[in-house]
Amino acid sequence: QVQLHQGGAGLLQPSETLSLICGVNGGAFSGFYWSWIRQSPGKGLEWIGQITHVGYATYNPSLRGRVIISIDTSKNQFSLKVNSVTAADRGVYYCSRSSGPAFNYPMDVWGQGTTVAVSS
Amino acid sequence: QSVLTQPPSASGTPGQSVTISCSGSSSNIGSNHVHWYHHLPGTAPKVLIYKSSQRPSGVSDRFSGSKSGASASLHIRGLRSEDEGDYYCAAWDDRLTGHVLFGEGTKLTVL
Repeated sequence: QVQLHQGGAGLLQPSETLSLICGVNGGAFSGFYWSWIRQSPGKGLEWIGQITHVGYATYNPSLRGRVIISIDTSKNQFSLKVNSVTAADRGVYYCSRSSGPAFNYPMDVWGQGTTVAVSS
Repeated sequence: QSVLTQPPSASGTPGQSVTISCSGSSSNIGSNHVHWYHHLPGTAPKVLIYKSSQRPSGVSDRFSGSKSGASASLHIRGLRSEDEGDYYCAAWDDRLTGHVLFGEGTKLTVL
């Protein structure tokens, strides 16, 4: 059964770059679509973006070009980078898998979540 | 940021039924599928309904979904204590470059 394992630094200072990794274990990597979602404290879920197994990424326009999602098929993992973090970027970050593009398919497998704090 | 409107809370007693609504517009629910997720704090969200009314294998048939125009609903019958938590609708929004929109979330309490 496929599992997603998240890793990366959870404590940042303002203006630093958030970097998270999601490793895919026990299942295929190719043919699926991989997403990042976050939840700020006291708020709902927010979709960050999605990448295909061949590296085509789409992003939430609200993040204004600060986000890069990339994949490494040789390691069965994908990554998230958020530049110039502020307190508004703190929260729990999840990676997830979809069987198809985000406009048509749900996120059916999720990582365990990584708590990110931003503090000077 | 979300333009998918959900009631902030819902409640019911064990065995009762409850319906959670999700209201959007022609650029999202009106033209795309809706998915529903159940989320307990500290755990990963779980998809309950996909493509507006489809239920993944392993999800109880107590959960059902429907869509009409730019609105969608999640119906839960035979409430159980384990149904407590936050429920989110989600749909693709066609504006700008396109992106997934989540609803504001509904906190369900089983009294």
